[in-house]
Amino acid sequence: GDSVTQMEGPVTLSEEAFLTINCTYTATGYPSLFWYVQYPGEGLQLLLKATKADDKGSNKGFEATYRKETTSFHLEKGSVQVSDSAVYFCALGIQGAQKLVFGQGTRLTINP
Amino acid sequence: DVKVTQSSRYLVKRTGEKVFLECVQDMDHENMFWYRQDPGLGLRLIYFSYDVKMKEKGDIPEGYSVSREKKERFSLILESASTNQTSMYLCASSTYPQETQYFGPGTRLLVL
Repeated sequence: GDSVTQMEGPVTLSEEAFLTINCTYTATGYPSLFWYVQYPGEGLQLLLKATKADDKGSNKGFEATYRKETTSFHLEKGSVQVSDSAVYFCALGIQGAQKLVFGQGTRLTINP
Repeated sequence: DVKVTQSSRYLVKRTGEKVFLECVQDMDHENMFWYRQDPGLGLRLIYFSYDVKMKEKGDIPEGYSVSREKKERFSLILESASTNQTSMYLCASSTYPQETQYFGPGTRLLVL
């Protein structure tokens, strides 16, 4: 079945470090791919998305490219801030499916 | 801006009580979802609804029921709360189920 695998956390980095959170997927069709972020004590917010192969989603300095050949959608940011500390979820949606499929989430902590 | 609101941010109930969690969205979305979030388990779908008075079981429906009498409102009901239902409950809505979901802030439920 359709599934999403994220790198296990927690991930701890220093401020201004480069961030990569890996996400790979298995899907029967051609999914849309999403990254959601959950700040402490809050619900999930859409961070970025891509709807077809080679699309790049970007927002708030974060980027992810939809790579069909490697079935991946890795999240990157060039210089993280303390305010980026949160849990990040990768997800996919298949046309005609009734729900999104979420990864397990990756907790990111940025130290000053 | 899409707004999804949940009736309570924090709730404390006793074992055996009937618990109602309410969710309201203001974007005329067809689809609404209830998830629970637990450490190490990510997001798990409890129930979803694709239209008024329609509902579908998600991955973990046992011990829960739902009600959708109006398009904007989706209620989660714990018929007889148990301690293993202590969790964070998240509501979401979307235009299409495989597309961007918009989340509420969550209700943290403690069952004693």
